[in-house]
Amino acid sequence: RKEVEQDPGPFNVPEGATVAFNCTYSNSASQSFFWYRQDCRKEPKLLMSVYSSGNEDGRFTAQLNRASQYISLLIRDSKLSDSATYLCVVNDGAAGNKLTFGGGTRVLVKP
Amino acid sequence: DAGVIQSPRHEVTEMGQEVTLRCKPISGHNSLFWYRQTMMRGLELLIYFNNNVPIDDSGMPEDRFSAKMPNASFSTLKIQPSEPRDSAVYFCASTRVLEGRRGNEQFFGPGTRLTVL
Repeated sequence: RKEVEQDPGPFNVPEGATVAFNCTYSNSASQSFFWYRQDCRKEPKLLMSVYSSGNEDGRFTAQLNRASQYISLLIRDSKLSDSATYLCVVNDGAAGNKLTFGGGTRVLVKP
Repeated sequence: DAGVIQSPRHEVTEMGQEVTLRCKPISGHNSLFWYRQTMMRGLELLIYFNNNVPIDDSGMPEDRFSAKMPNASFSTLKIQPSEPRDSAVYFCASTRVLEGRRGNEQFFGPGTRLTVL
């Protein structure tokens, strides 16, 4: 079983719609959680950290469910520029600064 | 501000040849990571350094791979001899580790796209 699992998609989303997807992690000792965004043929970049109480950054909302060991990302009012692969990322504090990346969820926003 | 710099951006080589990938982390960052990304396996951590010291190399696939960080501003990843299955995008990332904190944001370089024929 992979440490961090994601639905690879693609999620085809009409412009302006809302899309949400999850990722699950296997290590209950995981302490830090992030969503990274990766555009086609580009490097990953931090989108947002995920906090225990949930957090928003503009049109993006991240949630953490420690009991069920999953993280979610919701995108409201989708823009064409939101088309990308979204990587779920987890840190196990005991592993130092090592981040474990999920395989990514591809989102395609269409006019 | 200059981000993480990697060279070369593209490398095409023949099986059996030595390949050296280079990385310059962001100035002031004290932790450096080498990743490999393929369609099949996604983004995999190969090795990471803290203060120029290798901390975890469990992701290095085999002895053909080696990495060094002779100083805070330079690191290399070497593959010798290279094989077609090494074809991938290799990313270098860096971060500034703060005392008592884990899992800080990592800043990635643009990657080196390696093709081994």
